[in-house]
Amino acid sequence: AQKVTQAQTEISVVEKEDVTLDCVYETRDTTYYLFWYKQPPSGELVFLIRRNSFDEQNEISGRYSWNFQKSTSSFNFTITASQVVDSAVYFCALSGHGSSNTGKLIFGQGTTLQVKP
Amino acid sequence: EAGVAQSPRYKIIEKRQSVAFWCNPISGHATLYWYQQILGQGPKLLIQFQNNGVVDDSQLPKDRFSAERLKGVDSTLKIQPAKLEDSAVYLCASSPRLGRVLSTDTQYFGPGTRLTVL
Repeated sequence: AQKVTQAQTEISVVEKEDVTLDCVYETRDTTYYLFWYKQPPSGELVFLIRRNSFDEQNEISGRYSWNFQKSTSSFNFTITASQVVDSAVYFCALSGHGSSNTGKLIFGQGTTLQVKP
Repeated sequence: EAGVAQSPRYKIIEKRQSVAFWCNPISGHATLYWYQQILGQGPKLLIQFQNNGVVDDSQLPKDRFSAERLKGVDSTLKIQPAKLEDSAVYLCASSPRLGRVLSTDTQYFGPGTRLTVL
């Protein structure tokens, strides 16, 4: 069975602090895709990144960076110099690549990030 | 490029009433998904369409939920009759089916419909 665990339910930081959101996944597929989505108070899920299981290079996009480690089944997300606009719920998700997989996303419970001014 | 459109944004109904949600995916996107997001949880897939055919509806409560995607574009999700536990946000997503396998696609989400069942 596939599973995504985001152990941090809520995180509160002060603006300009760095913050890391943890994501641990379980899958038996050798090929799979990992995603991060942001859900601001408006409710829409905003796509942030997609990573396939064969690409373990870390990625940086502005203040955002992602650390993918297959050895620990983790795909963590770091925001550097956080801003109030980063306040949202962040979801990690998994999509398997096996013959029975249809592309559906398996989501974690989400981590609520509050950035205080 | 316009995103995924959903309506209504909010709906309040009494239990045992019926309700319908509408979704218009991103133009040209072949795959459409309906997810249910209960407060405090991650979204859970209800049904997935590839063009106008159902790919996965294994988690759709078929005794009360139904969905269709006529002509492979817009989709409607219906609940009849609604129960208290159906209170949730219903999210529609679409993906372009760029890859040979569906799992390679990125899904883009609409703003959702927040349903409250009293």
